[in-house]
Amino acid sequence: GQSLEQPSEVTAVEGAIVQINCTYQTSGFYGLSWYQQHDGGAPTFLSYNALDGLEETGRFSSFLSRSDSYGYLLLQELQMKDSASYFCAVRVSFQKLVFGTGTRLLVSP
Amino acid sequence: DTEVTQTPKHLVMGMTNKKSLKCEQHMGHRAMYWYKQKAKKPPELMFVYSYEKLSINESVPSRFSPECPNSSLLNLHLHALQPEDSALYLCASSHDRVPTSYEQYFGPGTRLTVT
Repeated sequence: GQSLEQPSEVTAVEGAIVQINCTYQTSGFYGLSWYQQHDGGAPTFLSYNALDGLEETGRFSSFLSRSDSYGYLLLQELQMKDSASYFCAVRVSFQKLVFGTGTRLLVSP
Repeated sequence: DTEVTQTPKHLVMGMTNKKSLKCEQHMGHRAMYWYKQKAKKPPELMFVYSYEKLSINESVPSRFSPECPNSSLLNLHLHALQPEDSALYLCASSHDRVPTSYEQYFGPGTRLTVT
């Protein structure tokens, strides 16, 4: 089976830094992706890590440790518009993504 | 154009109806996907098409029938659905080659209600 665990909810204030963790147990591993989904909206790709280490894209960074089956998404300089659900997703085969349980991020003024 | 479009946005159907969901992309992607998402849950993969051929079927009941008429279009035909099939149905597309195949582009979804 496939298991990807995330905290269900994280709260923070504008301007802060927040980290969303993802631990996984999957039958295959090609890489770890992160997607953002606003209420009523489509998931939007944020980042992808195939190798260990940190990837930075603007205010968002993503980290992967394959030996620990662990990754995280780091959001800096939080803005109100960052309030959304965030999903990690493991690419278990070339075409198949398995999504994590999802983390709802609430940013307050 | 980095957009995936889906129609209709909302659909209400009875358990004896037949309806179809449509998805279109013009990014030249050769892989297209159907996902099902229940409220407050992650998207779950249903089908994958690669170069217009069905490559993955995640043991989806036969009342869901996918079709890929060409490289830009993906349909999902619905027949004799159950109330528990009510969900948001998301279409996605991606390149089918490294190194860019990891990024999937999602449409806004069709919110389906089965009565």
